[in-house]
Amino acid sequence: QVQLVESGGGVVQPGRSLRLSCAASGFTFSSYGMHWVRQAPGKGLEWVAIISYDGYNKNYADSVKGRFTISRDNSKNTLYLQMNSLRAEDTAIYYCAKRWGNYNDAPSDYWGQGTLVTVSS
Amino acid sequence: QSVLTQPPSVSGAPGQRVTISCTGSSSNLGADSDVHWYQQLPGTAPKLLIYGNNNRPSGVPERLSGSKSGTSASLAITGLQAEDEADYYCQSYDSSLRGYVFGTGTKVTVL
Repeated sequence: QVQLVESGGGVVQPGRSLRLSCAASGFTFSSYGMHWVRQAPGKGLEWVAIISYDGYNKNYADSVKGRFTISRDNSKNTLYLQMNSLRAEDTAIYYCAKRWGNYNDAPSDYWGQGTLVTVSS
Repeated sequence: QSVLTQPPSVSGAPGQRVTISCTGSSSNLGADSDVHWYQQLPGTAPKLLIYGNNNRPSGVPERLSGSKSGTSASLAITGLQAEDEADYYCQSYDSSLRGYVFGTGTKVTVL
């Protein structure tokens, strides 16, 4: 069965960096685009970034553009999110999600359990 | 930021029908982008409920249905059950932002 397991969250000071990972199993990882989506405490869902199945195409929300980098290693079935210059408003649970189909408005059919990132001094 | 607007909350008695609206604009729902709906139970990850405006993934009961017209979409839950208490989010692709947008979220309460 499809499994997505995020890791790498924790408490970090403002301005520092953190890298999240999402280990995928149960499907052909190299065939699907992947998203990062976050949820601040008590708030709604916010899309963060997307990467194509082959890693060549990426796009970001304006709120993280220039600070966050999404990447993937298809040989390791792993998705990453490198987060630099972290701010208090980046505090959230970060979910990775599998894209169901390789077209713009494809839904996300599987989600990980999330990893909590807290940016605080 | 959310560019899809949902009511903060809806409620109903067991067995009743409730609907959740999702209002977008000409760059997302009005641009013919599909809308998807997700259910988030407390403390858990979102789960895909409706995709492509009105399609249910395997395992989602028929009493949940979706529709879309112009710049608006809606999710209907008939025969409301206690297990339906959750937060619900619509989602689409926005061609102006060249990114994905979620609705503001709606909390469903079963009275």
